[in-house]
Amino acid sequence: NAGVTQTPKFRVLKTGQSMTLLCAQDMNHEYMYWYRQDPGMGLRLIHYSVGEGTTAKGEVPDGYNVSRLKKQNFLLGLESAAPSQTSVYFCASRSPSGGAREQYFGPGTRLTVT
Amino acid sequence: GENVEQHPSTLSVQEGDSAVIKCTYSDSASNYFPWYKQELGKRPQLIIDIRSNVGEKKDQRIAVTLNKTAKHFSLHITETQPEDSAVYFCAAITGNQFYFGTGTSLTVIP
Repeated sequence: NAGVTQTPKFRVLKTGQSMTLLCAQDMNHEYMYWYRQDPGMGLRLIHYSVGEGTTAKGEVPDGYNVSRLKKQNFLLGLESAAPSQTSVYFCASRSPSGGAREQYFGPGTRLTVT
Repeated sequence: GENVEQHPSTLSVQEGDSAVIKCTYSDSASNYFPWYKQELGKRPQLIIDIRSNVGEKKDQRIAVTLNKTAKHFSLHITETQPEDSAVYFCAAITGNQFYFGTGTSLTVIP
């Protein structure tokens, strides 16, 4: 079991460029999440999905789009990157069954926008 | 939405002493409160959690207490060791969304 994986691990973008971050999980989890982590601010939820084909906004969705075409994958897109989107991005997944609440995090993607 | 506040932001303790980190939340509908440990450059790892129908939970040197009336919960680490040094985050879940505190950087001095 690889658990939750993220691609890429690091990326540098210029302002205005676009990119897609990929999150993949092999635990058959229904729920998947994208967070950003900035110094002194903890983790903030960008978007999440409660199942294949569904997405919902979190606390800080502006400037990001997501898609969940397959249950095991959750993509985070930046259409026109801005320096304010420099951050570490974490994906997470969990199963809602049996009352389980634990989230499993990916290793993170460090994104720098210049 | 939910608002989770966490204190202190930094904490230094001598090895063997106890450490306490406190969080408050605003939404009475929140019903699950996990604590995560994050080492530098690593992903957050769940260390203990508590549900809203439980007042206290313990796992070896780590314990969490929850006061639903006051809307606060705390992490207690006893007999601290250098390997406990990390950033700790509290969180609250409302519906399907997790709301995190801003983190506590714990340093255990040998």
